[in-house]
Amino acid sequence: KAGVTQTPRYLIKTRGQQVTLSCSPISGHRSVSWYQQTPGQGLQFLFEYFSETQRNKGNFPGRFSGRQFSNSRSEMNVSTLELGDSALYLCASSPGQGASPPNTGELFFGEGSRLTVL
Amino acid sequence: GQQVMQIPQYQHVQEGEDFTTYCNSSTTLSNIQWYKQRPGGHPVFLIQLVKSGEVKKQKRLTFQFGEAKKNSSLHITATQTTDVGTYFCAAHSYSGAGSYQLTFGKGTKLSVIP
Repeated sequence: KAGVTQTPRYLIKTRGQQVTLSCSPISGHRSVSWYQQTPGQGLQFLFEYFSETQRNKGNFPGRFSGRQFSNSRSEMNVSTLELGDSALYLCASSPGQGASPPNTGELFFGEGSRLTVL
Repeated sequence: GQQVMQIPQYQHVQEGEDFTTYCNSSTTLSNIQWYKQRPGGHPVFLIQLVKSGEVKKQKRLTFQFGEAKKNSSLHITATQTTDVGTYFCAAHSYSGAGSYQLTFGKGTKLSVIP
C-alpha cells in the first residue's frame, strides 16, 4: 500500500507570495491532518479534514487555509507569506473513523514539504 | 487543545546506556501516542496507550501510562545508534462535535555516542 505523498518536497518563496502544498493520503483513509514543524515550536496542528469537511482547526491566522477533495486528497494554502512561515509542513492521514474514541487512531505522516521564505 | 509537556528537551547518552523521556499533562488524557522522527525524516507512530497504568513493550522500548492518565514515559534499554532521533508524545483532546484533535509535545532529541 502506498504511503502518504506530499508535493512539492522543497520550495523557496519570497515574502508576500502564496504557496499551495498537496497531500495524497493512504488509499482508503478519509482524514487528512496538517502540521507545521519548526525547531522552536515543534509540531503544531494546523487543521484536519474528513470527507471534504474541516473537522478541526488549530490556532493559525486566516492566511493558512486548506481543502479536501472527494478523492480525499488535500491541499493547504498559505497566502501573503512571512519569514516566520519557513517550516516543514507535514501531512498525516488516518482512517478517520472506527477507532474508539472516534478519529483517535495513529497518524501516518508524509515526508513533508519544506518551505523556505526569503 | 490539550497541552502536553515533554522532558528533557535533549539527551546525550553513551551507546549501551539507558534513556527515558517523560510526558506530563495537567489534565487527564484519553490516550497517549508516541512517535519517533529520525533526523531528516518524518514522525513514525510507535504505540498508543489507553488504559490507566498500562505498560507495553517493543523489544528494548518500554512505554508506560500513569495510573492517573496524566503522564507517560518511554524507556529505551541499552541504546543503540539506530535509536537516534526525536521522540514525541501526543495526546488527543476533545474538540467538539464528536471530534478529537492530536497535540504533540515538543519532543526529546536523543543523541547516541558510539
